[in-house]
Amino acid sequence: GQQVMQIPQYQHVQEGEDFTTYCNSSTTLSNIQWYKQRPGGHPVFLIQLVKSGEVKKQKRLTFQFGEAKKNSSLHITATQTTDVGTYFCAGRDSNYQLIWGAGTKLIIKP
Amino acid sequence: EPEVTQTPSHQVTQMGQEVILRCVPISNHLYFYWYRQILGQKVEFLVSFYNNEISEKSEIFDDQFSVERPDGSNFTLKIRSTKLEDSAMYFCASSTGTGYYEQYFGPGTRLTVT
Repeated sequence: GQQVMQIPQYQHVQEGEDFTTYCNSSTTLSNIQWYKQRPGGHPVFLIQLVKSGEVKKQKRLTFQFGEAKKNSSLHITATQTTDVGTYFCAGRDSNYQLIWGAGTKLIIKP
Repeated sequence: EPEVTQTPSHQVTQMGQEVILRCVPISNHLYFYWYRQILGQKVEFLVSFYNNEISEKSEIFDDQFSVERPDGSNFTLKIRSTKLEDSAMYFCASSTGTGYYEQYFGPGTRLTVT
C-alpha cells in the first residue's frame, strides 16, 4: 500500500539548535497534516497544508508542502524543552485515507 | 473546549478474551476513527466510521475487530479474541468532516494482553 516515509527517526539537538523532519510520498497527496505527540500523550493536530508549494508558520515552526505535493517538512527554529515529543506527518491519498509517517522523535540533549 | 474521551485508560486482559474499548467523540462530529500505536512505534490507522457504517478500514482491521455506535454518544471498538500482539495504545479520534478536516484524538486506552 501507499506509504509516507518520514526521516529521521530520531533527532538529538541541544536546546537552542534547529530541528527538521521530512516526509516523502511516492504519490501525490491531496493534503498533509502535522501532529505532535508529547511523551505519554496523544497526537495533537498542528497544521494542515493543501496547496502546492504552501508555507505556513506558527511562531518558531515552519511547515512546507512541496511543489509536487509529494513531500513536506517541519522546521523548528531554536528548539526549547517544550518542543520535546514525536512529530508525525499524515498525508491524505487519492482515496482520502490518511497515511501516517513513522514520526520523528525530538530529543533535547541536557 | 470539547474533547474526545476514552475509557478505560488501561485495560489488562488475558489472551483469548474479548475486550471493548469505549470512546465518546466530540458531540457535533460526524466521523470517527480508531488508531493503534504499539509502544514507541508509529500511529496505525484501523478504521473510520460515518453514518453508522464503516467507511474505510486497514489491513490490520480483520474479522476479530468490530466497531459500533450503540447510542448517540458512544463509539466502541471490540476485539473478539485478543492476542499478545494486540497489546498497544488504542486512540479514538473524531472530526467534523473528512478529507480536509483535522482529527481530534482522545487520550487513549492502553491495552495489555497477558
